[in-house]
Amino acid sequence: GESVGLHLPTLSVQEGDNSIINCAYSNSASDYFIWYKQESGKGPQFIIDIRSNMDKRQGQRVTVLLNKTVKHLSLQIAATQPGDSAVYFCAENKGGNTPLVFGKGTRLSVIA
Amino acid sequence: DTAVSQTPKYLVTQMGNDKSIKCEQNLGHDTMYWYKQDSKKFLKIMFSYNNKELIINETVPNRFSPKSPDKAHLNLHINSLELGDSAVYFCASSQGLRPNTEAFFGQGTRLTVV
Repeated sequence: GESVGLHLPTLSVQEGDNSIINCAYSNSASDYFIWYKQESGKGPQFIIDIRSNMDKRQGQRVTVLLNKTVKHLSLQIAATQPGDSAVYFCAENKGGNTPLVFGKGTRLSVIA
Repeated sequence: DTAVSQTPKYLVTQMGNDKSIKCEQNLGHDTMYWYKQDSKKFLKIMFSYNNKELIINETVPNRFSPKSPDKAHLNLHINSLELGDSAVYFCASSQGLRPNTEAFFGQGTRLTVV
């Protein structure tokens, strides 16, 4: 299940199930989006990206979906594994000379 | 071979001290960044440099002074440290002024001010 509140939102999934992590972005002019994975004690690592002229992009076990109408981005992880446990961030490029802006993050916890 | 490396990994210091965090990237990128991650894991941009020139300064107190001696290095100096400066600081780099490719992050420096 998913919980929100004062703490980082957490998604708990059973090993082998599919995970879906959601993100609402803020700027309709944003044209580039990235999902990052941050494991404990490490820096964020690139998972997958998508440009605004696409609505879906697939990688190895991961799929990113972009819905520009409602400014929503999702990351789907197939057959979730214990090694997928981490905090996941969406990031957007808001245009111009701006650096990536990160969303709040979701902690994925995989139950073995 | 580490792409973006920061030192130190951990830094514990007293209020009022001055400290520096170093960052180096060997990716040949021309843009480097400092991000601050708070206890709620929120990542916020602090500075952006392109070819040694400051591009972005996101209303960071002037106690924080980045320095880029060359485009492979971006160091962060912090004067008169305060308790609220405690956080994890990440250096990152990307190719191009407008990052339409991903940014690569260092391992982070956990700063604790006591």
